[in-house]
Amino acid sequence: DVKVTQSSRYLVKRTGEKVFLECVQDMDHENMFWYRQDPGLGLRLIYFSYDVKMKEKGDIPEGYSVSREKKERFSLILESASTNQTSMYLCASSFGGGTQHFGDGTRLSIL
Amino acid sequence: TQLLEQSPQFLSIQEGENLTVYCNSSSVFSSLQWYRQEPGEGPVLLVTVVTGGEVKKLKRLTFQFGDARKDSSLHITAAQPGDTGLYLCAGDWIQGGKLIFGQGTELSVKP
Repeated sequence: DVKVTQSSRYLVKRTGEKVFLECVQDMDHENMFWYRQDPGLGLRLIYFSYDVKMKEKGDIPEGYSVSREKKERFSLILESASTNQTSMYLCASSFGGGTQHFGDGTRLSIL
Repeated sequence: TQLLEQSPQFLSIQEGENLTVYCNSSSVFSSLQWYRQEPGEGPVLLVTVVTGGEVKKLKRLTFQFGDARKDSSLHITAAQPGDTGLYLCAGDWIQGGKLIFGQGTELSVKP
């Protein structure tokens, strides 16, 4: 079974802090994705990566950056956290254009 | 921007009732996936439909892909409390490599 592990289930940070969300997958998938999930808005794609050191902007990249130094790890960075970035963050991985396998999410609160 | 409109957003029914969730778009998708998400967990794939007009069954769940591959439906027969959760449709955009998610349907089945 594919395992996608997100480093924290719950995280509380303060406005202006730099925040790192980590995601690791164990199935050698090329593709990795970061989404945020808000009620009534579904999942919105922040960034994705097709390979190591490659990244593509999704639909809502503003205020975020990503890092993929190793194939199994995809990090989401909030350079200067703001209250409107309070949300559930979901990481996913896939092989080619196939099924996306999701982690259990990180519920991030910015105070 | 490709959009996937999912309806209804909320559904509260009694055990034993039938229900249908719809996903509609003006875009053509190469495939459409249905996910189910339980509280505190990431979405889990239920089914992928690929061919226009395709119908797939998963026990009491029936999934259909529209002939033009622009819409899909999920029908649940004789709903049970265990069906409670968030149902998400996601389209694999024919020219892209990423999924477009609908807003989700929050289903509550009361005993």
